[in-house]
Amino acid sequence: GDSVTQMEGPVTLSEEAFLTINCTYTATGYPSLFWYVQYPGEGLQLLLKATKADDKGSNKGFEATYRKETTSFHLEKGSVQVSDSAVYFCALASQPNFGNEKLTFGTGTRLTIIP
Amino acid sequence: NAGVTQTPKFRVLKTGQSMTLLCAQDMNHEYMYWYRQDPGMGLRLIHYSVGEGTTAKGEVPDGYNVSRLKKQNFLLGLESAAPSQTSVYFCASSYRGLRETQYFGPGTRLLVL
Repeated sequence: GDSVTQMEGPVTLSEEAFLTINCTYTATGYPSLFWYVQYPGEGLQLLLKATKADDKGSNKGFEATYRKETTSFHLEKGSVQVSDSAVYFCALASQPNFGNEKLTFGTGTRLTIIP
Repeated sequence: NAGVTQTPKFRVLKTGQSMTLLCAQDMNHEYMYWYRQDPGMGLRLIHYSVGEGTTAKGEVPDGYNVSRLKKQNFLLGLESAAPSQTSVYFCASSYRGLRETQYFGPGTRLLVL
């Protein structure tokens, strides 16, 4: 079945450091890939997404490229800020059967940025 | 424009009690979802609805029931709460299916003693 594997946290970085959070997946067909972010005490919100191979999603300085050959969708940011402290979820949406879509979330990676 | 709202924010139940969680969205979305979030397990889909009057089972439906009598509301019911249902519950909505952006509510924290 479909699955998403995320780098385990927690991850702690200093402000302005480079961030990578790894995400790999297994899925049938041609899934869409997402990164959602959950700030403390809030629900999840979409950070970025990509719908086909080689697409790059980007938002708020974060980027992720849909790599079909390595089944990966790693999240990167060149210079993190304290306000980026949150839990990040990688997710994939697939359609294993006609009329039956499925969304699978990773377990989440907690990121803490230290001033 | 409130987006997705959830009621209540926090609730404590005793084993065997029942309760209903309410989700409301004002974005005219067709699809609505209920998830539970547990430590180390990400989000798991409980039930979902593809339109007014329809419901379907997700990954972990046992012990829960849902109703979608109005397009903007999606109710999640626990008929006889169990400690295993202690979790944070999130409602979400999207314009069409799961490949679309999902908009989440702020969550309901439920503790079953």
